[in-house]
Amino acid sequence: AQSVTQLDSQVPVFEEAPVELRCNYSSSVSVYLFWYVQYPNQGLQLLLKYLSGSTLVKGINGFEAEFNKSQTSFHLRKPSVHISDTAEYFCAVRPNYGQNFVFGPGTRLSVLP
Amino acid sequence: DAGVTQSPTHLIKTRGQQVTLRCSPKSGHDTVSWYQQALGQGPQFIFQYYEEEERQRGNFPDRFSGHQFPNYSSELNVNALLLGDSALYLCASSSRTGRAIETKNIQYFGAGTRLSVL
Repeated sequence: AQSVTQLDSQVPVFEEAPVELRCNYSSSVSVYLFWYVQYPNQGLQLLLKYLSGSTLVKGINGFEAEFNKSQTSFHLRKPSVHISDTAEYFCAVRPNYGQNFVFGPGTRLSVLP
Repeated sequence: DAGVTQSPTHLIKTRGQQVTLRCSPKSGHDTVSWYQQALGQGPQFIFQYYEEEERQRGNFPDRFSGHQFPNYSSELNVNALLLGDSALYLCASSSRTGRAIETKNIQYFGAGTRLSVL
């Protein structure tokens, strides 16, 4: 079975500062990795994904993430955040043999003026 | 091109009642997955439908059932509602056909149905 850990439940950061949201996973098989963002009262929007190839992946809204197989991590980063980035961020894994996603508990990013 | 649509957006029920939630997948998608997101938590996988059959199921009781129609739309039914069933129910669509790795491995989510059980 797979599991996802997001160590920080809340991350406050000032506008234009860099941010890193941490994600670690456990799995006995190869997985695909995803970050989704959820704005208040909305569904989940795909930010970025790692399926294969380069371990550094770029997504929408200036976000990027790096897959580290040895550390089983997939941390999300942005060099300069905006107020509009305030939202809940979910890391998810999907085993390469299956269909369902396993989500982490989420990290609440609050960007302060 | 419409994305994943869910109805209704909000629903209030009382304990013991039954509820049906609906989902229309993104155009070109043939697979529908349902998730339950309790307040302050990540989504939990309920089940997935493909070719009108339940293909995979998470750790949810039989009170949770579903259906997929020939046009790929889907319903989630919950019987004998409990207070703990109050949550945001998310539908996600994807495609099992197609050769591209991206086509097969990305789920697109609807805005969800907020269910409150009183």
